[in-house]
Amino acid sequence: AQSVSQHNHHVILSEAASLELGCNYSYGGTVNLFWYVQYPGQHLQLLLKYFSGDPLVKGIKGFEAEFIKSKFSFNLRKPSVQWSDTAEYFCAVNAGYSGAGSYQLTFGKGTKLSVIP
Amino acid sequence: SAVISQKPSRDICQRGTSLTIQCQVDSQVTMMFWYRQQPGQSLTLIATANQGSEATYESGFVIDKFPISRPNLTFSTLTVSNMSPEDSSIYLCSVVPYLSGGDTDTQYFGPGTRLTVL
Repeated sequence: AQSVSQHNHHVILSEAASLELGCNYSYGGTVNLFWYVQYPGQHLQLLLKYFSGDPLVKGIKGFEAEFIKSKFSFNLRKPSVQWSDTAEYFCAVNAGYSGAGSYQLTFGKGTKLSVIP
Repeated sequence: SAVISQKPSRDICQRGTSLTIQCQVDSQVTMMFWYRQQPGQSLTLIATANQGSEATYESGFVIDKFPISRPNLTFSTLTVSNMSPEDSSIYLCSVVPYLSGGDTDTQYFGPGTRLTVL
């Protein structure tokens, strides 16, 4: 079974600080990887995704993530955070239709990011 | 991406009663799913809602407790039956839209239904 680990439960940063949120998954086959974000009072939104190709993917609002296959990792980064980035961030993985034929999306426990103005 | 709405947005229910949650999408979708997010926890997949046939349930979830319907390509319901306080959660539907040329794997989420059981 797939599992996803997010290393940090709560991260507190000052504005303009750099951000890196860790995500590791356990699955031996081909995977699709996602980061979702949930802003306070809003629903879950897709931030970025990786299916194949360039392991460095760029998402909305200046976020990017790097897929390192050898480390089973998909860490989220942003060079300079803003107060409006305060949210909860979820890493997720599925085996993909072209892989095991399963759409099941397995989520990490989430990381709360608080950005102090 | 598809526009997804859920009704109700929140409810407070008594133990032993049932609540039906609706998920409506503004365009046809291939896949629809139901998730649960318990307080302080991550999202857990309850089941895949199959159009015109019985839903596919994940381990730990059963049809008698969480009956699901999906009569067409834009609508699904999840019922939480015989509720107990342990069922207090946010329930979310997600969809995989029809997109030409690929991406059959990205799920988009509805706003969720916050359920409190007393």
